[in-house]
Amino acid sequence: EVQLQESGGGLVLPGGSLRLSCAASGFTFSSYAVSWVRQAPGRGLEWVSTIGGSDGSTYYADSVKGRFTISRDNSKNTLYLQMSSLRAEDTATYYCAKRRIPGGSAFDCWGQGTLVTVSS
Amino acid sequence: DIQMTQSPSSLSASVGDRVTITCRASQDISNYLAWYQQKPGKVPNLLIYGASTLQSGVPSRFSGSGSGTDFTLTISSLQPEDVATYYCQKYNSAPLTFGGGTKVEIK
Repeated sequence: EVQLQESGGGLVLPGGSLRLSCAASGFTFSSYAVSWVRQAPGRGLEWVSTIGGSDGSTYYADSVKGRFTISRDNSKNTLYLQMSSLRAEDTATYYCAKRRIPGGSAFDCWGQGTLVTVSS
Repeated sequence: DIQMTQSPSSLSASVGDRVTITCRASQDISNYLAWYQQKPGKVPNLLIYGASTLQSGVPSRFSGSGSGTDFTLTISSLQPEDVATYYCQKYNSAPLTFGGGTKVEIK
């Protein structure tokens, strides 16, 4: 069974940093692009970042570019999101999601999400 | 960047009604369009990819159509368990933008 499990969320001060993790199982993690998607309380879905499977290429939303860094450790089947210079508007539930096929496509599996709250 | 615009933002319909949600891309995205359902308090769930291909396990009352810039999600006979917010998403290239969502309620 394909599973994704996020961790690392919590309360952080504005300007602070946090690292999220997403543990993957049930599929060949290294072959698939994986992404972070967030959802602010009561709001819609916002794509945050994607990292490629085979080439490790990275992509970011303009709203997080220069502040967030996506990475992966294929030996540990784990995806990361290093977040810095956090702002109140980064408050959201952060989901990791897997693309349906190695080459791309839609997100066919999502984790349960981890809540990040940026507040003083 | 390509913008994704959904309409309506919310709707209320009776059980058994045919429901249609539209999604418009600001540029041609061919058929690189997905639809997701998010029930209250739950994780998003993939319904349709490739604009019209039903994901395994999704009820056949859901269907998708369109290509280029204009897309439609149809629920042929609305059921109580379909109460949810529905999102479209382009996935041909980054940014993988979502539409703003359509909240579907039962009248």
